[in-house]
Order: sequence, then structure tokens, then C-alpha cells
Amino acid sequence: DTGVSQDPRHKITKRGQNVTFRCDPISEHNRLYWYRQTLGQGPEFLTYFQNEAQLEKSRLLSDRFSAERPKGSFSTLEIQRTEQGDSAMYLCASTWGVTHNEQFFGPGTRLTVL
Amino acid sequence: DAKTTQPTSMDCAEGRAANLPCNHSTISGNEYVYWYRQIHSQGPQYIIHGLKNNETNEMASLIITEDRKSSTLILPHATLRDTAVYYCIVREGYGGSQGNLIFGKGTKLSVKP
Repeated sequence: DTGVSQDPRHKITKRGQNVTFRCDPISEHNRLYWYRQTLGQGPEFLTYFQNEAQLEKSRLLSDRFSAERPKGSFSTLEIQRTEQGDSAMYLCASTWGVTHNEQFFGPGTRLTVL
Repeated sequence: DAKTTQPTSMDCAEGRAANLPCNHSTISGNEYVYWYRQIHSQGPQYIIHGLKNNETNEMASLIITEDRKSSTLILPHATLRDTAVYYCIVREGYGGSQGNLIFGKGTKLSVKP
């Protein structure tokens, strides 16, 4: 247990439905990252927050995806109008500072879109 | 795209040293080498990182060649619990960068009894 938690751990939804995932980072960490991982591939960066500010978004993050981190604590990732191609593991990681500190990853949320 | 090249898979006997190579021939002067691993159904886990000197911690040793174009992660006494995908990542160390990790496909290490 790294101290980063994600909820739910598994989500099965039908195409076209909206889903929301939550990440609770380690409390003193000011940076929070979202990654997506498909089968057989390494995780791919989606977006990151420094405190409550969303500072970077990957081009993988289509306009159906939105992420928030109110008050610089937990974060949510919402996917609207899900597609089968959204099926993946969604990973959250947190760290502190601006230097090369290790990122602590949560266990991930596995999304299956039917 | 990932800036590193790793073998797709490797086997290692339990109790023996596991040596995982990584090529990063385009690494620049301010970029560090990081290693993470991902055990099945878990999130990635940090192992070690280094700039140019060899590094050792309680999990592993990192050997970086003098020209910094390649490195080797060494697990001195592999156990079955070390079976995982190992990712070698090159990234900037300080400021300016948002710090996200760029993962390749990694090396799947299988430790066998």
C-alpha cells in the first residue's frame, strides 16, 4: 500500500454512459498525475495538477475527459459518453515538490466499456 | 515516445542476480535514469534513479555506463515476488518539466524456482 487510493477499483459500464473515478493522494503531496494503461503497454500520461491547478494535459485527453482537483486534495477524472476504446486501467500518482522525487502510484481503476 | 530500449522479456532463477539492461543513447546531460516496476494488477513502484554515478538502495543497484548511453538494473538476489514488468525511464531532474513519466513497454522479468 503506497498511501494513494483510488475508487472504484473496477468499473463496468455501457458505451455512452458517463463514469467518474476518484484518487486520494498522499496528503502532503502537491503534485498529482493521471495515467492510462492499456493491455500490454506501459502507462501513458494524461494530465497533472500542482495543488489545485491543472498545468498540463496530454493530447490523449480528448474533450470527453475532464479532471479536477478541488482544494488541491483528492482528484476526480470523468469520462463522458464512454467508448469501447476507453477501456483501460486508469492510474493516479502523487509526489511532492518540483524535483525528481519518486511518484507513488495508486492501485488503479480498471474500466471496461461494453 | 519513450527514449529507452529494453528487452521484451527475461528469465532469472530464484536467488540469482537479475541484470536488466536499458539503452538510452540519446540521453541529455540533465536527464536522469529512473527505474520503476509493475507487479501484475498493481500500480508501478519506484525502484531507483541516478544521473551518472552508480547508485544502490535496499531494493537494487543501478549501474550507468561512463558515456551514460546505457544502464543496468541489478536485483542482487531475485525472489519470486520480483516477477514484474520493469520500466527504464529517462527524464529531466529539476524544474521546468511537469515531471510526468514516459513509459515504454518495459522488460517482463520472470523469476523461476
